[in-house]
Amino acid sequence: EAGVTQFPSHSVIEKGQTVTLRCDPISGHDNLYWYRRVMGKEIKFLLHFVKESKQDESGMPNNRFLAERTGGTYSTLKVQPAELEDSGVYFCASSQDQGEDVEAFFGQGTRLTVV
Amino acid sequence: AQKVTQAQTEISVVEKEDVTLDCVYETRDTTYYLFWYKQPPSGELVFLIRRNSFDEQNEISGRYSWNFQKSTSSFNFTITASQVVDSAVYFCALSDGGNFNKFYFGSGTKLNVKP
Repeated sequence: EAGVTQFPSHSVIEKGQTVTLRCDPISGHDNLYWYRRVMGKEIKFLLHFVKESKQDESGMPNNRFLAERTGGTYSTLKVQPAELEDSGVYFCASSQDQGEDVEAFFGQGTRLTVV
Repeated sequence: AQKVTQAQTEISVVEKEDVTLDCVYETRDTTYYLFWYKQPPSGELVFLIRRNSFDEQNEISGRYSWNFQKSTSSFNFTITASQVVDSAVYFCALSDGGNFNKFYFGSGTKLNVKP
């Protein structure tokens, strides 16, 4: 069974450009999470989808970030326009449920560099 | 507010040495969960262990062991007889009972095991 897949693995863009990151969760996983690690700091929660609905987007840094999950399958995270401080590794995770003892599986991350 | 502190940024040991990675957490919740994840060079976060706040029993899994102490709000991770394959970044994380897979991560400890 395929794990959580993220595209691209690396992206280098100029300040002011737009970038779209994609996450394909494990098939059948209703819950999808986005996280970000900036500059070797802690990994921070961005938002949580249950199917196509945003259950919690309290971690989204500002309105330059737009996450979607049309049809409740894959998700995209768009940054527009990108700023230097958006550089970091963006992780996606998925889980079948939200309950205790339901493990979340992480992708390999997308390393975004804004120059 | 939830917070996880991993004071050790980077640790280097020689193969076969024992090493302990420290994790201190803060939360006002009575029900919470603690986790350790490993990030090997390939990038994905690999689940190692989960503990709930009502279970202070220490756990051993092969060369890995975990020491959970509520009195000091710590959840330390020890690798016995370290091996080169243990080289990775290790993250400690906390979640509350409201959303099991919404993690508050520490900043990670990079472990270098030299042959």
